[in-house]
Amino acid sequence: NAGVTQTPKFRILKIGQSMTLQCAQDMNHNYMYWYRQDPGMGLKLIYYSVGAGITDKGEVPNGYNVSRSTTEDFPLRLELAAPSQTSVYFCASSYSSSGNEQYFGPGTRLTVT
Amino acid sequence: RKEVEQDPGPFNVPEGATVAFNCTYSNSASQSFFWYRQDCRKEPKLLMSVYSSGNEDGRFTAQLNRASQYISLLIRDSKLSDSATYLCVVNDLGGATNKLIFGTGTLLAVQP
Repeated sequence: NAGVTQTPKFRILKIGQSMTLQCAQDMNHNYMYWYRQDPGMGLKLIYYSVGAGITDKGEVPNGYNVSRSTTEDFPLRLELAAPSQTSVYFCASSYSSSGNEQYFGPGTRLTVT
Repeated sequence: RKEVEQDPGPFNVPEGATVAFNCTYSNSASQSFFWYRQDCRKEPKLLMSVYSSGNEDGRFTAQLNRASQYISLLIRDSKLSDSATYLCVVNDLGGATNKLIFGTGTLLAVQP
């Protein structure tokens, strides 16, 4: 099993550009999550999904969109990138709700200049 | 008050030392508690769950005090490889599904 994979590993965007961060898991997990981690801060939940076709906002959803068309994939879309979106983005998955371990991908380091 | 609060450290300890990290949480209804480990520029990984009765995994011992809303992690006989950031994590019962709330982490540096 590859676990949770994320692409790209690094990206530099100009202000106003858009991009999609890819996330895939091969563990047949129902729950998937997107977090951002800023220096000195805890992970903040952006969006999550409890299954294919179902997504919901987390703590910091503004400026982002997600979709979940399959169990395996959970892409995160940034529209009109802003410097405040410079961060490390982690995708995670779990079998069920938060009583179970969350497995994280290796992260995407995004810089918006 | 932050939902999950940790001393950011750094904790600089010599090899072989015993070190303890503490964490407090604000939601008395939280039911699940974890310690995650995050190496520099890597993703978080589950170190251990924390059970009401306390639990041990090798050199690592986790304790939970529900009355004080306090979680601890004790590391005995520290190794160089223990150097990492330790994240205290609790579940959030608000909303349609449970979500995890992460502390900002405590940095441990084990010195030779």
